[in-house]
Amino acid sequence: EPEVTQTPSHQVTQMGQEVILRCVPISNHLYFYWYRQILGQKVEFLVSFYNNEISEKSEIFDDQFSVERPDGSNFTLKIRSTKLEDSAMYFCASLRDRGTAGELFFGEGSRLTVL
Amino acid sequence: AQSVTQLDSHVSVSEGTPVLLRCNYSSSYSPSLFWYVQHPNKGLQLLLKYTSAATLVKGINGFEAEFKKSETSFHLTKPSAHMSDAAEYFCVVSGAISGGYNKLIFGAGTRLAVHP
Repeated sequence: EPEVTQTPSHQVTQMGQEVILRCVPISNHLYFYWYRQILGQKVEFLVSFYNNEISEKSEIFDDQFSVERPDGSNFTLKIRSTKLEDSAMYFCASLRDRGTAGELFFGEGSRLTVL
Repeated sequence: AQSVTQLDSHVSVSEGTPVLLRCNYSSSYSPSLFWYVQHPNKGLQLLLKYTSAATLVKGINGFEAEFKKSETSFHLTKPSAHMSDAAEYFCVVSGAISGGYNKLIFGAGTRLAVHP
């Protein structure tokens, strides 16, 4: 069964360092997302991406964040200068098309720990 | 704006007994509603979804949910719990936005424990 894969599964970094989280969405999907879950809190929407551009972003997704689809398979989330409060589980998701009405397929997550 | 409230942060049941995980939603129009499950160290998996068709929705692993517009509820049930059902369950509403890019709004989650 096709699945969304994320790497790394866990990353520990120092405050102020740059981090790139990688995702390989399901191959025929067209819409891509990043969500995050701070420990003990809700899963929160960060950004959606379609046709090589951001389609929506939340207030969390400020200038330190960026997303990119550098080739036909990878979808990356970059955090330029990490803060302690960026520590969270980051989930990538993909969606085949609008007709699937929100049936996002999620990866297993990348746990980011900022020290 | 849409939102979901999961009424219980923790639910504990015995194996073989029924499961009820409660969810209420708020939406200014007819929503799409989902239940996702997250097993330890795993990603989020879709259990079932409601998209304005039948109000009783059947999902994987014997789970089902009933959409009740009058009560703005979408509770998740299962007649008989298995040990493997122990996980975190999220009630989710689709926040339809311009272009229909399917932004999901998650509830806080309910942790289900199943005891022998």
